[in-house]
Amino acid sequence: AQTVTQSQPEMSVQEAETVTLSCTYDTSESDYYLFWYKQPPSRQMILVIRQEAYKQQNATENRFSVNFQKAAKSFSLKISDSQLGDAAMYFCAYRSPSPYNTDKLIFGTGTRLQVFP
Amino acid sequence: GAGVSQTPSNKVTEKGKYVELRCDPISGHTALYWYRQSLGQGPEFLIYFQGTGAADDSGLPNDRFFAVRPEGSVSTLKIQRTERGDSAVYLCASSIFPGHSEQYFGPGTRLTVT
Repeated sequence: AQTVTQSQPEMSVQEAETVTLSCTYDTSESDYYLFWYKQPPSRQMILVIRQEAYKQQNATENRFSVNFQKAAKSFSLKISDSQLGDAAMYFCAYRSPSPYNTDKLIFGTGTRLQVFP
Repeated sequence: GAGVSQTPSNKVTEKGKYVELRCDPISGHTALYWYRQSLGQGPEFLIYFQGTGAADDSGLPNDRFFAVRPEGSVSTLKIQRTERGDSAVYLCASSIFPGHSEQYFGPGTRLTVT
């Protein structure tokens, strides 16, 4: 069974600085998807960035980028130029490639990010 | 367009009672998912519908939990004989089709069992 581990319960960053959130996962599959979701106090999960395992290139979305190390099964999120609105819980998630067996997301326990002015 | 909506936003019930939680997916989305998020944890998968049928219900914790999606749109999660351990936020998500597309989440229903 696949597992996702986030070893940082809390992180903090100064506004305009850069912060990196860690995520490791375990799987025997060779192809899969990885995600970072943001959950503000409103509870609604918002997709930040996704990565297909077969792609060598790290995904980037504006100030958000990932460092995907497939051999090490590591998937960290880098937030550049941090803003007050980035403060939230961040969850790393894994999804198997085939929709015909299951299409569920497997989440880590989350990292609470605080942003200080 | 409208996102995924869930009702009620909050539900308080007494131990032993029956509750129904409703999810309205984004129009046209064929896949629908239920997750449960306990305090301080990440969401855990409960069940996934493709159309009207449950394609994977392996996450339902026991037979007190049941979910339906009779017309392939709105879904209801039903919990019988609620227990205090059922207290959590229940999240619903939908996607256009399973596999490659993003899952869009609703704001969740916070269930408190007293």
